[in-house]
Amino acid sequence: DAGITQSPRYKITETGRQVTLMCHQTWSHSYMFWYRQDLGHGLRLIYYSAAADITDKGEVPDGYVVSRSKTENFPLTLESATRSQTSVYFCASSEAEAPLHFGNGTRLTVT
Amino acid sequence: QKEVEQNSGPLSVPEGAIASLNCTYSDRGSQSFFWYRQYSGKSPELIMFIYSNGDKEDGRFTAQLNKASQYVSLLIRDSQPSDSATYLCAVKGYGDYGGSQGNLIFGKGTKLSVKP
Repeated sequence: DAGITQSPRYKITETGRQVTLMCHQTWSHSYMFWYRQDLGHGLRLIYYSAAADITDKGEVPDGYVVSRSKTENFPLTLESATRSQTSVYFCASSEAEAPLHFGNGTRLTVT
Repeated sequence: QKEVEQNSGPLSVPEGAIASLNCTYSDRGSQSFFWYRQYSGKSPELIMFIYSNGDKEDGRFTAQLNKASQYVSLLIRDSQPSDSATYLCAVKGYGDYGGSQGNLIFGKGTKLSVKP
């Protein structure tokens, strides 16, 4: 089915571990984004990508790494997870100037 | 620091009433304005977007934009219990994070509760 899918939906990990959140879209949108959503902060941009092999930092990039070797995939890696990275993570995609389409989210808990 | 402000609510309205959701933004250069609806535990979904001053209507929803006052609102007519959700206002400037896409700044959302 066309759309944007995130995996896993839920993840529990321990402090210091590396974890990768996956995002896949079938629309061939140029732009892809990673947001985190926390109570009291709303949605904040972590990283975005304008095209394959082009990525750039958003508002809160520290502790995260992204890559985009293919247009349809935009994984987000937490290199050494911390409790402050417990959050709900949303991947989104769009074409330039078009509204965002969000994935279903990944709820990450770091213990 | 560019900001988008919304009352957190909850805003409670009776079924059939008009719900009015408000949003102010700090960046006068903002060009595009979006309203997203988010049900509890779900992802945001786009309701409406507006680029020009004035009103834009889509079914029971009307978005209103006043760039001089840096104010955007969403009216929901004939509110239904299914409209109960958090409504996110999002504002896009120009070129903050690369080219014409800019950066979408989200407010923290207003929780709407429609009582039967």
